[in-house]
Amino acid sequence: DAGVIQSPRHEVTEMGQEVTLRCKPISGHDYLFWYRQTMMRGLELLIYFNNNVPIDDSGMPEDRFSAKMPNASFSTLKIQPSEPRDSAVYFCASSPRQGGNQPQHFGDGTRLSIL
Amino acid sequence: QKEVEQNSGPLSVPEGAIASLNCTYSDRGSQSFFWYRQYSGKSPELIMSIYSNGDKEDGRFTAQLNKASQYVSLLIRDSQPSDSATYLCAVNIAGAGNMLTFGGGTRLMVKP
Repeated sequence: DAGVIQSPRHEVTEMGQEVTLRCKPISGHDYLFWYRQTMMRGLELLIYFNNNVPIDDSGMPEDRFSAKMPNASFSTLKIQPSEPRDSAVYFCASSPRQGGNQPQHFGDGTRLSIL
Repeated sequence: QKEVEQNSGPLSVPEGAIASLNCTYSDRGSQSFFWYRQYSGKSPELIMSIYSNGDKEDGRFTAQLNKASQYVSLLIRDSQPSDSATYLCAVNIAGAGNMLTFGGGTRLMVKP
């Protein structure tokens, strides 16, 4: 069974450009999570969806960040305009439907560098 | 603010020894606890889950949970250099579906 698929694996762009990160969750998983990981702050939850609906976006740092999940098999995280402090590894994770006992399964991540 | 605390390390153990990794959490309502292993430059990988007080063993790994003390640990027996990684403790947030709070991770170094 395919795991969580993220693209691109690496992204290098200049400050001010729009960045779009993509995620395909594991088929049948109802929950999708976007995280950001840096050395200084560790793994931070940005936003999560349940059945394609955003449930908690309190971790989204600013209005420059937005996330969508148009269907059960695809989600995007967009940064516009990007800034050097957005440089980090961004992970997408998914988990099966609610039960309270379900672990999250992570994609390989997108390493983002804003110059 | 729901907290999960781990010693950042590094925890250094010789090959063949037992590595003991610890985690405390603040949410008394938490019911699910997970350990993830993250190699440098890679994504977190689930290695253990535990839901009830006591011990759960899987190969060389043993997870221990004490809800009264709000404490969860991971023991790695016969540590190998390939176990060198950062270990993340994750705890579910009561009433928030499958949302997890992650600790900052403990870096483990197993010396040959």
